[in-house]
Amino acid sequence: EVHLVESGGGLVQPGGSLRLSCAASGFTFSSYWMSWVRQAPGKGLEWVANIKQDGTEKYYVDSVKGRFTISRDNAKNSLYLQMNSLRAEDTAVYYCAREVRTTTRYFDYWGQGALVTVSS
Amino acid sequence: QLVLTQSPSASASLGASVKLTCTLSSGHSSYAIAWHQQQPEKGPRYLMILNSDGSHSKGDGIPDRFSGSSSGAERYLTISSLQSEDEADYYCQTWGVFGGGTKLTVL
Repeated sequence: EVHLVESGGGLVQPGGSLRLSCAASGFTFSSYWMSWVRQAPGKGLEWVANIKQDGTEKYYVDSVKGRFTISRDNAKNSLYLQMNSLRAEDTAVYYCAREVRTTTRYFDYWGQGALVTVSS
Repeated sequence: QLVLTQSPSASASLGASVKLTCTLSSGHSSYAIAWHQQQPEKGPRYLMILNSDGSHSKGDGIPDRFSGSSSGAERYLTISSLQSEDEADYYCQTWGVFGGGTKLTVL
């Protein structure tokens, strides 16, 4: 059974940093693209970043480019999101999601989420 | 630019059926989309991948009450025999783009 478990969320001041982790199990982690998706309070879902199986390709939504870094450790079956220069608008629940790539790109498994609150 | 459009809300009675719609923007009518369900205070759950020809493949453990269909640029999610636990937000998604979501109320 596929499991994705996020950790590392919390309260951080504007301008601060936080690192999210996602522990994956139940599938061959190194065979899949992985993504981070976020949801601001009361809002819809927004894709944030993704990373190729071997980590050689990474993509970001414009609003986090230069501030967030996605990475992975296939030996540890783990996905990470390093978030720097955090802003109030980054406040959201962050979900780790497994990607499937066929004729499109979609997410077939989700974690339970990690809440990040950026506030002074 | 790829945009997915969903009605903000829908409602139907317990035991009835409801059909939710996701509309692909011009030039993208052949795209497959995924449907996701998000129950209150929970993470999203993948329901199915839905192709332009209406063929679809559901995620693990998704009941037969959930089905998909397509017509042109529109992608549909039909939920039959509505149950209280179907009250949730439903999102369509493709290529990293999400629709705004439809909040389904079960009366």
